[in-house]
Amino acid sequence: QVQLVESGGGLVKPGGSLRLSCAASGFTFSDYYMSWIRQAPGKGLEWVSYISKTGSRIYYADSVKGRFTISRDNAKSSLYLQMNSLRTEDTAAYYCARDSSTWYFDYWGQGIPVTVSS
Amino acid sequence: QSALTQPASVSGSPGQSITISCTGTSSDVGGFNFVSWYQQHPGKVPKLMIYDVINRPSGVSNRFSGSKSGNTASLTISGLQAEDEADYYCSSYTNSSTRYVFGIGTKVTVL
Repeated sequence: QVQLVESGGGLVKPGGSLRLSCAASGFTFSDYYMSWIRQAPGKGLEWVSYISKTGSRIYYADSVKGRFTISRDNAKSSLYLQMNSLRTEDTAAYYCARDSSTWYFDYWGQGIPVTVSS
Repeated sequence: QSALTQPASVSGSPGQSITISCTGTSSDVGGFNFVSWYQQHPGKVPKLMIYDVINRPSGVSNRFSGSKSGNTASLTISGLQAEDEADYYCSSYTNSSTRYVFGIGTKVTVL
């Protein structure tokens, strides 16, 4: 069965950095696009970033552009999100999601909390 | 890229039908048939309910259906049940530089 397991979240001070990982299993990771999506406490869903199967195409939400970097290692079936210059408004649960070829998310991880606070 | 517009809340009695709207622009909802809908119960992970405007994934009840007219997509829940009480989000591909946009979310209450 498809499994997506995020790790690397936690508490960080404003201006700090954090690297999220997502370990995928139950499917051929290199055959799928992937995305990160976040949800601030009590708020709605916000798409963060997308990466194509080979990593050749990458997109970011305007709110994180220039601060976050998405990457993947197909040999390790893993997705990453490097988050720099973190702000309090980046506080959220971050979900790793499998991305279909027609722009929807068919599997989601359980989410990992990230708290940016002094 | 602004979020897609959804009503904050929709309610209905058991057995009734309700419809949730999702309004965008010609750059997203109106321009492509790449609208999806997600259900999220409190404290739970979002679940895909509808993709490509009208398609239901395997295992999703046929009480859920999707449609689109112009720049507005809709999710209809027929035969409303207590377990349908949740937040619902629409999402669309967009030809802006960001590629994805979510709706603000709609809280469905079963009276």
